[in-house]
Amino acid sequence: DIQMTQSPSTLSASVGDRVTITCRASQSISYWLAWYQQKPGKAPNLLIYKASTLESGVPSRFSGSGSGTEFTLTISSLQPDDFASYYCQFYDSYPWTFGQGTKVEIK
Amino acid sequence: QVQLVESGGGVVQPGRSLRLSCAASAFTFSTYPMHWVRQAPGKGLEWVAFISYDGSNKYYADSVKGRFIISRDNSKNTLSLQMNSLRTEDTAVYYCARRGNWGSAYDYWGQGTLVTVSS
Repeated sequence: DIQMTQSPSTLSASVGDRVTITCRASQSISYWLAWYQQKPGKAPNLLIYKASTLESGVPSRFSGSGSGTEFTLTISSLQPDDFASYYCQFYDSYPWTFGQGTKVEIK
Repeated sequence: QVQLVESGGGVVQPGRSLRLSCAASAFTFSTYPMHWVRQAPGKGLEWVAFISYDGSNKYYADSVKGRFIISRDNSKNTLSLQMNSLRTEDTAVYYCARRGNWGSAYDYWGQGTLVTVSS
């Protein structure tokens, strides 16, 4: 099974900061990587799929990059609405697997 | 607008069974693969099960294989998860999720239903 390792687990940042979250796969997954945002008590929301494709309606300050085993989610200028948890997900062969999550907190 | 609404959660004793449902609306349910994903309290997301658009293919996480059964009724636009031999570690919010088109991932999620396994 493919394991997904996210870092950091917690990130403290201020409004306006550039934020980067990393996700590493235990073996090459090509571009089959998605990123989700989740707020407390809510279902996750798709941000990025196929490593770098922005989901419709998602602000352009979110971007994804990478292929193979290393991927990044970047928020170019952190907004108050962006304080939340973020998860990466491998989604090609089964089992699909999630990273353990990154909580973005207010500094 | 696309809606997924889960139901059937509750408190159940270890070893007992529970059946979750997910009612889909505002899209052609019979053409989309569907999944169940769960999240234990304060923990991360865990993929549980997949079913193909026509129900012919199913896959399960090792943690639930042999105990959970995913099914769908395309005539009623309903996805189900039959959970047997429940364990305390199955306690979680259970979400149904739709895999989108064109290589997308989960583009729509339900609101979740809480399952608590406790004596």
